[in-house]
Amino acid sequence: QKEVEQNSGPLSVPEGAIASLNCTYSDRGSQSFFWYRQYSGKSPELIMFIYSNGDKEDGRFTAQLNKASQYVSLLIRDSQPSDSATYLCAVNPPNQAGTALIFGKGTTLSVSS
Amino acid sequence: NAGVTQTPKFRILKIGQSMTLQCTQDMNHNYMYWYRQDPGMGLKLIYYSVGAGITDKGEVPNGYNVSRSTTEDFPLRLELAAPSQTSVYFCASSQSNLVFGAYEQYFGPGTRLTVT
Repeated sequence: QKEVEQNSGPLSVPEGAIASLNCTYSDRGSQSFFWYRQYSGKSPELIMFIYSNGDKEDGRFTAQLNKASQYVSLLIRDSQPSDSATYLCAVNPPNQAGTALIFGKGTTLSVSS
Repeated sequence: NAGVTQTPKFRILKIGQSMTLQCTQDMNHNYMYWYRQDPGMGLKLIYYSVGAGITDKGEVPNGYNVSRSTTEDFPLRLELAAPSQTSVYFCASSQSNLVFGAYEQYFGPGTRLTVT
């Protein structure tokens, strides 16, 4: 069973703080990892993707990947109330038919002003 | 580019009725997908297509059918609607990545379906 696990939250942080969102996956051979943001009533929107171990930064967002620990995280620096949303972790396991993604259930982030 | 578009945005069906959810992408992507999202349950893959004329089942295909006659269009057909099909349906598309297996997927705005 290919699984992607996330804490459902809610994760509450004050404005300006760092939000840390975590995700673990079960299939060790996975090579592609994605973070999506989903506002209530809207469709998932791609934030970042990462393929290699280590960190990848894009503006206020940093994705971190540790394949040995089967762990991927998303850091949001200087969190803003507009970052309040559900964050979905998605993984592409090896030999996954049609290169489809396996999604976690999402972590709800709440940023208070 | 409009990206991925879906129609309708909302629909209420009676039990036993049928309907087609439309999905179109203008990014010339080979891969297209249909997901359903139930509250607190994440996204589940219904069907996918790797190119025109090629479709296959995902995790939860029962009660649905698809076709892919063109690169751009990937309609989802619901036959004999049941209350269990009440959900939000998302269409997505992507290119393939021969090295890493998957490029990022881009989602349409979704169709909110209620079956009563």
